[in-house]
Amino acid sequence: ILNVEQSPQSLHVQEGDSTNFTCSFPSSNFYALHWYRWETAKSPEALFVMTLNGDEKKKGRISATLNTKEGYSYLYIKGSQPEDSATYLCAFPSSGGFKTIFGAGTRLFVKA
Amino acid sequence: NAGVMQNPRHLVRRRGQEARLRCSPMKGHSHVYWYRQLPEEGLKFMVYLQKENIIDESGMPKERFSAEFPKEGPSILRIQQVVRGDSAAYFCASWTGTDTGELFFGEGSRLTVL
Repeated sequence: ILNVEQSPQSLHVQEGDSTNFTCSFPSSNFYALHWYRWETAKSPEALFVMTLNGDEKKKGRISATLNTKEGYSYLYIKGSQPEDSATYLCAFPSSGGFKTIFGAGTRLFVKA
Repeated sequence: NAGVMQNPRHLVRRRGQEARLRCSPMKGHSHVYWYRQLPEEGLKFMVYLQKENIIDESGMPKERFSAEFPKEGPSILRIQQVVRGDSAAYFCASWTGTDTGELFFGEGSRLTVL
């Protein structure tokens, strides 16, 4: 049974704080690792698609790293803003992408 | 350039009725996933379909639930004889099937069973 774990479950930070959270996934048969951002009342949107061990991707103040050998990825947000408040999901496509399993998400609250 | 379209956005059914949820994938996408989001939980995989084929339905309850993706028209998730525990948001996502697997989501259909 594939298991994608995310921690923490939720996080409350002040505006301007930097923060990070973790996604762990099975290290065997790795295909890709996705990060999605899910705002309330909207649909999840892809942030990053990561495929190579050691990958580091960046989009503005948000970046992510990938370690496929040990089965984890970190998402970092530098200088959090209230508009960063959302649920951040990681997803693990197995079997060549044919079955994408999501973690339960980390819910981020950024207080102004 | 329409994204993934789901309808209805909200559906209310009484126990024992049938619910049909529709999903039109993005143009050019022939692969569709259905996920269920229960209150305070994440996205739970239900089924993965390619045009006219069910590829993986391991997350679908064995009874009352079915899914199809016909050659023409939207993918349909059908729930027969709904019970209160079926109340949830159901999300559809599509992808091309040929790239690294990034999914594009619809806005979800929220089913409420009275």
